[in-house]
Formats: sequence, structure tokens, C-alpha cells
Amino acid sequence: DAKTTQPTSMDCAEGRAANLPCNHSTISGNEYVYWYRQIHSQGPQYIIHGLKNNETNEMASLIITEDRKSSTLILPHATLRDTAVYYCIVSAYQGGSEKLVFGKGTKLTVNP
Amino acid sequence: EAGVTQSPTHLIKTRGQQVTLRCSPISGHTSVYWYQQALGLGLQFLLWYDEGEERNRGNFPPRFSGRQFPNYSSELNVNALELEDSALYLCASRGAGENIYEQYFGPGTRLTVT
Repeated sequence: DAKTTQPTSMDCAEGRAANLPCNHSTISGNEYVYWYRQIHSQGPQYIIHGLKNNETNEMASLIITEDRKSSTLILPHATLRDTAVYYCIVSAYQGGSEKLVFGKGTKLTVNP
Repeated sequence: EAGVTQSPTHLIKTRGQQVTLRCSPISGHTSVYWYQQALGLGLQFLLWYDEGEERNRGNFPPRFSGRQFPNYSSELNVNALELEDSALYLCASRGAGENIYEQYFGPGTRLTVT
């Protein structure tokens, strides 16, 4: 699985958009980009995933660069409840070795 | 729709003892995954069960084992507990045919080994 690089921490003002970057320069053609978040002491929560097109759901938008070497998770109107550790994961189905490999993630703090 | 449930919420055990953790997946989900989140180590994959069979396991010793029942609920057993087994144990489930990485996590069981 390709490795990802994320900033250790970020701050965002409540009501503003939170843009969380992720570098995955060694991503291969069949690997997807997944985002999860973990609010303190809770289980991780799936947010969104994509292959090469930009994706949007009720929680967030995922922007993947054309060369697929980086992506940005966008929370359009951050709230205090969005304070969490956000994990960017790159992986592909490998026929039997399915598992999520979590890195250190980005600690997002939404400030009032 | 009820989410993934885990029991117990918290547990304190003594080194050398055995523990069983339980997980009920979302209704209709057939795959169950177990992860360990020890302080400072991040989430580590433990086990994956699908349709009652163990499909994959992470880099953990054999004293970590489990099973999946016909109703797709699952148990994680840890024998001969060691101090470093203290961690949050998370269970996740996934529905058949869904993206394999779209997993839904439970709240976890906090295990403390003294």
C-alpha cells in the first residue's frame, strides 16, 4: 500500500471550510484514497473515498489532483464537533489481505 | 439503523488472565474486523472474519484469537494477558458487496491490564 503524508495538526475557525491535505506520491493506478476520522475515544468513522474523480457526500468533498499524487478533504462548514483526528488511507483490494492501515493522521481543532 | 455494538465498554484484568470481547455488527453486515489501538501506536489490524471464516490476521501472536458466529457477531479472545495488551479494541463491520474499506466502527472496549 502506498504511504501517505499528512500534517500533524491544523486549526480551523468554526463555520469556515477546513481543508485537510494528504500527499500520496507513490500511489498506484488501482489504489483508492479513503478518509476516516476519529473523534476522541470513539471508533473511527468512514467519511469518503475516491479513485480519480472528485467526490462529494453529505459529510465532505474529496479533491484528488490530476496526477493523483495528492488529495484534499474539504469540510465545507466546520463545526466544533468536527474536531477529530483525520486519517488519509491509500489502498487497493488485494484479494485476501484486506485491512485498513492507519497512519498518524491530522489532528484538526475547530475553534469557536 | 443500529450501529456496531461492543461489550463490555471497559475492562480491567490482571496479567496472565484471559479476556473475551464481543462485537455485534450492523444488521446485514457479514464481515467483522478487529483492531487494536494502543496508546501512541495508532490503529493496528488484528483479525478479519467473513461468513464465519477467518480471512486474514495481522502481526499479532497466536494468543489473540477469535471467531464469528452464524449470526455474524464475533468474539475476540486474548489469552495470557500482558501489560502491553492494554488498549482500545475496536470492532468494525462491512456489508457484503460493499467497498471493502468502507468499514463501520463500534465504540470500542477499553482493556486495562495491571
